[in-house]
Amino acid sequence: DTGVSQDPRHKITKRGQNVTFRCDPISEHNRLYWYRQTLGQGPEFLTYFQNEAQLEKSRLLSDRFSAERPKGSFSTLEIQRTEQGDSAMYLCASSLDASGTYNEQFFGPGTRLTVL
Amino acid sequence: KNQVEQSPQSLIILEGKNCTLQCNYTVSPFSNLRWYKQDTGRGPVSLTIMTFSENTKSNGRYTATLDADTKQSSLHITASQLSDSASYICVVTSPIFNDMRFGAGTRLTVKP
Repeated sequence: DTGVSQDPRHKITKRGQNVTFRCDPISEHNRLYWYRQTLGQGPEFLTYFQNEAQLEKSRLLSDRFSAERPKGSFSTLEIQRTEQGDSAMYLCASSLDASGTYNEQFFGPGTRLTVL
Repeated sequence: KNQVEQSPQSLIILEGKNCTLQCNYTVSPFSNLRWYKQDTGRGPVSLTIMTFSENTKSNGRYTATLDADTKQSSLHITASQLSDSASYICVVTSPIFNDMRFGAGTRLTVKP
């Protein structure tokens, strides 16, 4: 399968714990995006990378959220001191460089986080 | 206020019937508009994409229209199938933003 993959698919944690999610983009894609989606809503943009550079992170929900893409390939999203309000689907997407008009983003299956 | 508004919020139709979903946006300037289909528990999958100069785009039984003057788009589904049951999300991209602006989606249920 050469699509975007995410791991784990589901995560249940207790409030206050840290969690980390992984995203593996389509191999030739240099852009990688993280979104959060709550029930009944569209995805909400969090951050994105161009290769290993994080070009936009002001939309991260709080300083408890951080993302890395150290080698310009896979990325991790970490949430520290989780709260019940963090329960959501976390989606990753990748695309080729955005210079083209279409800049198609391909989404992964998401990681469903439940904070108890 | 969300810059991409979709209606209806949810819709139930019988298998074989047609339906039309609406998307109004205020995002400006405008680069392109996409319709995505999202099955429950899965990531969105692209159905159509249109630039401001395109009025209509088809993908099988899905036909999207765009009126860039009124900032409205619609997604028409013909001869619906049970597998069309999903959320349909309208997404507008602006060259200013380094991201896409998503609507909340329309939840479509097709019943036998």
